[in-house]
Parts: sequence; C-alpha cells; structure tokens
Amino acid sequence: QVQLVQSGAEVKKPGASVKVSCKASGYIFTSYAMHWVRQAPGQRLEWMGWINAGNGYRKYSQKFQGRVTITRDTSASTAYMELSSLRSEDTAVYYCARGPVSHWYFDLWGRGTLVTVSS
Amino acid sequence: QLVLTQSPSASASLGASVKLTCTLSSGHSSYAIAWHQQQPEKGPQYLMKLNTDGSHSKGDGIPDRFSGSSSGAERYLTISSLQSEDEADYYCQTWGTGIDVVFGGGTKLTVL
Repeated sequence: QVQLVQSGAEVKKPGASVKVSCKASGYIFTSYAMHWVRQAPGQRLEWMGWINAGNGYRKYSQKFQGRVTITRDTSASTAYMELSSLRSEDTAVYYCARGPVSHWYFDLWGRGTLVTVSS
Repeated sequence: QLVLTQSPSASASLGASVKLTCTLSSGHSSYAIAWHQQQPEKGPQYLMKLNTDGSHSKGDGIPDRFSGSSSGAERYLTISSLQSEDEADYYCQTWGTGIDVVFGGGTKLTVL
C-alpha cells in the first residue's frame, strides 16, 4: 500500500526544536521528492521545503531558511523535518507530501503531525 | 510575485455541479497547478495536476465526477453530481523556479 506514515503529536516549549518523521512505503522512496507543508489553525497550507530523496538535494522556503532542516534515510525510506527555535506561531499540523522530482506538486500526503508550542 | 486567488466560499446542492476557480496573478498565466481536497479534520488529498491547455492527470481513485479545465490565467475544478462527502476545502497550488511553491487561500465548499 502506497502511504506516508508520520510520527505522533508533539508538545514543545518555546525555543526548543522538534523533529518529525515520515516513513514511506509501497513505492521506490528514492525516485521521488519529499516536501514538508504546514497548516496553522484556520490558515492556508504553507510550503516549508523539499528534499530529493534520491540525491539528497534540498531547498527551503526563505521564510524558514536557517530554522528548518530536511533530511532523509534511504535505508529506512524515511524523511525528517526538524524545526528549531520554536515559537507559539509554529503551532501547526505538519504534513509530508510526496511529489515528482521535476515538478513540485504533491501526489501523496501524510496524515499530518500536530506540533504544539506552549510554555 | 505569483499569487493564486480563490474565492473563500462556494455552495451548491446535493446532486448538482459546481465549478471552483483558481486565478493566477498577472504575468503567470502559463503555470500548471494542482488541486487538493481537504475534508474536515483530515489531511489534504491530491486531486489532479492541471496544465495550461486544460489537460489533467488525476490521482489514484479520484472519481470521474472531478474534472479540470483552463482558460487563460484561470484554472477550474468542476465537481459534478455533488455528494455530501465533497464538502471540503479545496486548495490550488503551483510551483516554479524562483517562486518555489505557492498555495491559494482555499475555497470552502458547502453542499446544501
């Protein structure tokens, strides 16, 4: 079954970091890109960055540059998104989403991981 | 700067058809987009990639009731024979060198 399974909900304090995982199954992990998209409560979807799961090339949204790191473990068919220096505005559901390498749209989504930032 | 504009809300009756619009900002009418559906309390689901010429490729399992079309800077999603489960938020999304990835604000569809 083709799917993306994300790690569970997290509660973090301001200033901390969070690392969310996304395990892919049912397809060749290294043949696709993996993107990370977040959605704050009541807000639109917001793209954070992507990684070419094959060669490891990464690109981040300017908004998150310096705070986000996307990595992958090809042996585990898993992608990771780490966001540092968390603030309350980072409270959101974080999604991983698969897409072709050459076109940055998303043809498979994970179910999302809720990250709550609260003191 | 590329902006995708969607009406915040739309409504149509059960069994009817509805056409949702995503408008590309001036100077960007050649961009393809993708449509995604987000049902209440769920993650998004890919519906289709829609090209400038109106050709589209749908995701696995997406019913024939969902179709896409294009005209100039407008990209459309038409849903026919509306069902209650079609009540959802619909987002358009585009991408490109220099613009990265851009989402529209979403349209909340109510099925009456």
